[in-house]
Amino acid sequence: EIVLTQSPDTLSLSPGERATLSCRASQSVTSSYLAWYQQKPGQAPRLLIYGASSRATGIPDRFSGSGSGTDFTLTISRLEPEDFALYYCQQYGTSPWTFGQGTKVEIK
Amino acid sequence: EVQLVESGGGLVQPGGSLRLSCAASGFTFSTYWMHWVRQAPGKGLVWVSRINTDGRSTSYADYVKGRFTISRDNAKNTMYLQMNSLRAEDTAVYYCARGTSPSTTTPFQHWGQGTLVTVSS
Repeated sequence: EIVLTQSPDTLSLSPGERATLSCRASQSVTSSYLAWYQQKPGQAPRLLIYGASSRATGIPDRFSGSGSGTDFTLTISRLEPEDFALYYCQQYGTSPWTFGQGTKVEIK
Repeated sequence: EVQLVESGGGLVQPGGSLRLSCAASGFTFSTYWMHWVRQAPGKGLVWVSRINTDGRSTSYADYVKGRFTISRDNAKNTMYLQMNSLRAEDTAVYYCARGTSPSTTTPFQHWGQGTLVTVSS
C-alpha cells in the first residue's frame, strides 16, 4: 500500500501567516490522485483539494495545492482564525485508499 | 442536498458483533461507490472498506478482512457494515463517505457525522 507521511506533525503559526504542509508518498501517486482534508474537533473531514491542485466547491482561494509524483504541498496563504485545525492528505488512485497521519495547525 | 446518516454504533464486548448503517439521501445512491472510514479516539483517518454501485465488488483494509462485510441496498438507499469478531482496536468513530462524482476514482466529498463504536468488556 502507499504510505503517506505528512510533515511537520504540528505547525505553530499566527493568524495572517503562511502555512506550508507537506505530504510525501512511499511511491508515485497515480495521476496525482491526491487530496487534502481539513478536520475540526468533533466534525467530519472536509474536502479542500483534489487532483493535487484543484479546490473543492466552496473552498476559499487562500488554500492551494501543488506537487506530483511523491511530493505534495498544501499552502494556506494567510491563516484565518477558522483555519486552525487538523489537515490530512489522502491518495485515492490506488487501493487501499490511504491517509497521512495528519498535521495540526495551531495558534502560536 | 446530499446527506449521509450513520447509525448502529454502541458499546460491544470483545468478540461481539455490530451492524452499522449509512442512510443516504439527496442523490442517486445507486450510481456511487461508497466507503467506510474510521478514526480511533485522538488518532487519524483510516480507510476501512468500499463497495461498488451494484454491491458485487468490494474491498477491505487488511486489518478488517475476514471480519467485516460491506453491503448495500439500493432500493433503501442504505449501505451497511457488518462487523464481527470485534477487537478493542476497532474502537473508533465510523464514517460513511461518498465521492465527488460517480467515477470510481474520486476523493471523498461527502461524509456522514459518524457513529461511535466502542469495544470493551
